[in-house]
Order: sequence, then structure tokens, then C-alpha cells
Amino acid sequence: EDQVTQSPEALRLQEGESSSLNCSYTVSGLRGLFWYRQDPGKGPEFLFTLYSAGEEKEKERLKATLTKKESFLHITAPKPEDSATYLCAVQAGGGADGLTFGKGTHLIIQP
Amino acid sequence: DTAVSQTPKYLVTQMGNDKSIKCEQNLGHDTMYWYKQDSKKFLKIMFSYNNKELIINETVPNRFSPKSPDKAHLNLHINSLELGDSAVYFCASSQDRVWGGESNEQFFGPGTRLTVL
Repeated sequence: EDQVTQSPEALRLQEGESSSLNCSYTVSGLRGLFWYRQDPGKGPEFLFTLYSAGEEKEKERLKATLTKKESFLHITAPKPEDSATYLCAVQAGGGADGLTFGKGTHLIIQP
Repeated sequence: DTAVSQTPKYLVTQMGNDKSIKCEQNLGHDTMYWYKQDSKKFLKIMFSYNNKELIINETVPNRFSPKSPDKAHLNLHINSLELGDSAVYFCASSQDRVWGGESNEQFFGPGTRLTVL
């Protein structure tokens, strides 16, 4: 069974304080690893897809990396508007198309 | 321009009732999905449809039935609602179901908060 574990569950940072969120996964044939951002009362918003170990993608203050066992979402000099729940998900190569999500990291950036 | 839309946004109903949630996407995507997000914010896949074919069906009670009148719509029908069905239901869509190749990101709707009393 595919599993995704995210840590920490919650993270409180000061504005400008860089940090990383972790996503560990076990999957039978990884087709893709996805990062989403979810704001309260809204649907998940797509951020990145990573396909193979060693791949990196960046968007503004966010950078996602991937190894064979985990992915990191690095947040550089965060701003209060980066506060949200960040979700990691995997898509397996076994034939199922639905994403298997982790429970998310609730990030709070204090001004 | 809303890419994936759902109606209603809120749905409050009594136990035992039958209800439907509608979903529409204007992205021209081939595959649509339904997810359930429980009170602990954990998102779990329920169904996906590609070209009117049910692709996956996780361990969801048969009281739940997805219906796709066309490629742009995937509605969720729920019969005999139970207290445990209370959750936020999200519809999503993606470009294609690519076997053995790169996967494609899924775009989510705003969610429907279902409360069963």
C-alpha cells in the first residue's frame, strides 16, 4: 500500500526564517510526486510535480527536491502570505490514478 | 474563469436523505476525480473517471455513486446519508491518464462541505 508521511505536522516560523518541510514516501513505482498548497476553506492549489530522483523545481520562495525515498519543500525567506497547509502526494505506477496524500504540514509565518 | 467548479459549496441535510454534488471542469481534461477530506484534513481518493469509464473505486460504500454525463462533468450521488459522511468533498481533473509515462497534475475544485445531522 502506498504511504506518504509528512513532517512536521505544524511549523511556526518568523518572517524571513528559512526552513524545510519533509515528505517521506513508499510507493510501488513512482509516476510522480506532487506538492500542493491548501488555504483554509479552499481546494488544494498545485505547486510542483517531481518525476525522478535528483529533480528540483523552484517557484518564487519555494524549492522542491526529490530523492528515492523523500521529498523536501524548502521555503526561503518566507512571508506571512506563505502561511498555509502544504500537502505532499504520490501517484503510483500500478495503475491507480488517484493521488495518495500525506496529512500535510500546517505552516504559520509570523510577521 | 473557474477551472473546476462544484455546487453547492455547503450542503446540510438529515441522516437518511439522498443528495448530489455537481462538478464541472472547463479545462478540456480527460480524467476527473472525487476526493474526501475528513475532519482531520486528510484527503483520500474516492473515484476517478476517464472517458466515462470508472477507473478506480477505493473502499467506498456503494451508497456513493459517481455519474459522468459527459467529459466535462462528474457528479457524486450519495444515498441514505450517514453521520460519518460529513466531510469536505473535492472534485479534481487532469489532462490524461498516461500509463507508464509522466503523470499529470490534478486541479482541484473549491470543495463542498457536507454536514449530515
